Amino acid sequence: AQSVAQPEDQVNVAEGNPLTVKCTYSVSGNPYLFWYVQYPNRGLQFLLKYITGDNLVKGSYGFEAEFNKSQTSFHLKKPSALVSDSALYFCAVSPVTNAGKSTFGDGTTLTVKP
Amino acid sequence: NAGVTQTPKFRVLKTGQSMTLLCAQDMNHEYMYWYRQDPGMGLRLIHYSVGEGTTAKGEVPDGYNVSRLKKQNFLLGLESAAPSQTSVYFCASSWGQEAFFGQGTRLTVV
Repeated sequence: AQSVAQPEDQVNVAEGNPLTVKCTYSVSGNPYLFWYVQYPNRGLQFLLKYITGDNLVKGSYGFEAEFNKSQTSFHLKKPSALVSDSALYFCAVSPVTNAGKSTFGDGTTLTVKP
Repeated sequence: NAGVTQTPKFRVLKTGQSMTLLCAQDMNHEYMYWYRQDPGMGLRLIHYSVGEGTTAKGEVPDGYNVSRLKKQNFLLGLESAAPSQTSVYFCASSWGQEAFFGQGTRLTVV
């Protein structure tokens, strides 16, 4: 069985500061990892994915994520947070390259304060 | 290019009533999914389809049925709605390495 843990329900950062949203996973075999963002009353939007290759993955809106196999983590990062980054973020893992058949974390609410 | 479209956006049902949620995608994706989202629980997969005419159970399939008669449409049915099915429902389609989500249907069962 696969699982995802997002240990923080809420992350607060000041605008301009770096941000990290944490994610750890458990899956048999090679992990395929995804980050999505959800704005209020909207569906999820794809941010980035790790399938294979470089451990540092760059995605939309200046976000990046670092895959760490030994720590089974896939933390989402951004060097300089914007107020408009405030949203709900979901990490997801799949044992196959089928992005929709993923197990999602419970989500982390990111609040960026001016 | 509309992407993934869900109808309706909002619905209130009485316990025991039935309804069908429609998901349509115009990206020619083979894979389609129905999720429910509940507070503090992330998204849970209800049913999915890997192609026209196929369906499979996800994590929480009980109380729901689905059909994929046409490649572009994936229907989610509730035969006898229960208050526990109050949730926000999301449809998604995928070509493999990226999933595209609809804007959701907020369903309340009273």
